[in-house]
Amino acid sequence: DAKTTQPNSMESNEEEPVHLPCNHSTISGTDYIHWYRQLPSQGPEYVIHGLTSNVNNRMASLAIAEDRKSSTLILHRATLRDAAVYYCILRDVLYGGSQGNLIFGKGTKLSVKP
Amino acid sequence: DGGITQSPKYLFRKEGQNVTLSCEQNLNHDAMYWYRQDPGQGLRLIYYSQIVNDFQKGDIAEGYSVSREKKESFPLTVTSAQKNPTAFYLCASKAGRLYSNQPQHFGDGTRLSIL
Repeated sequence: DAKTTQPNSMESNEEEPVHLPCNHSTISGTDYIHWYRQLPSQGPEYVIHGLTSNVNNRMASLAIAEDRKSSTLILHRATLRDAAVYYCILRDVLYGGSQGNLIFGKGTKLSVKP
Repeated sequence: DGGITQSPKYLFRKEGQNVTLSCEQNLNHDAMYWYRQDPGQGLRLIYYSQIVNDFQKGDIAEGYSVSREKKESFPLTVTSAQKNPTAFYLCASKAGRLYSNQPQHFGDGTRLSIL
């Protein structure tokens, strides 16, 4: 699976939008972009995933660049509960291996200020 | 509510002792995984399983063992052969086949320490 690059940390104010960037310049045509987040002392939680088109769900939006070399996770109104480490992960569903495991990097630690 | 339950939340191991971490899911998922997370690091795959009575070694299986006697249960044993077991252990499951694009659901983890 291709590599992703994320900032180590970001800060946001409560109730403001947050844009979390992810660069994946070596993404292949069969790589899906997944986002998970991990709150302190908890297991990771699925947030959203997509292939080419922008995606929305109740938690967040995923904006994917036209060339797919980068993507942005958008939290529309940050709350204190959104303070977590956010992981951007590429998953090749055709050539990514039979295990289906996710390869987590170090992610972006998001702090939310009241 | 459906989900994955890991127990205990905290576990202490003495030298030379085997310990077993429990993972139970009521999501009716076929695929299950065990990961290890060290401080400030990503997750590393220990073992995975697609169906009952079948499981495969992941990237760091040495010193660990698993069983899959029931669909809903995938316990992990940390044996005395694992010389550096202190870590946060996470169990996950997902619907469908291992290679599918379904999201993984994680438990809240077990933190294992050495006495």
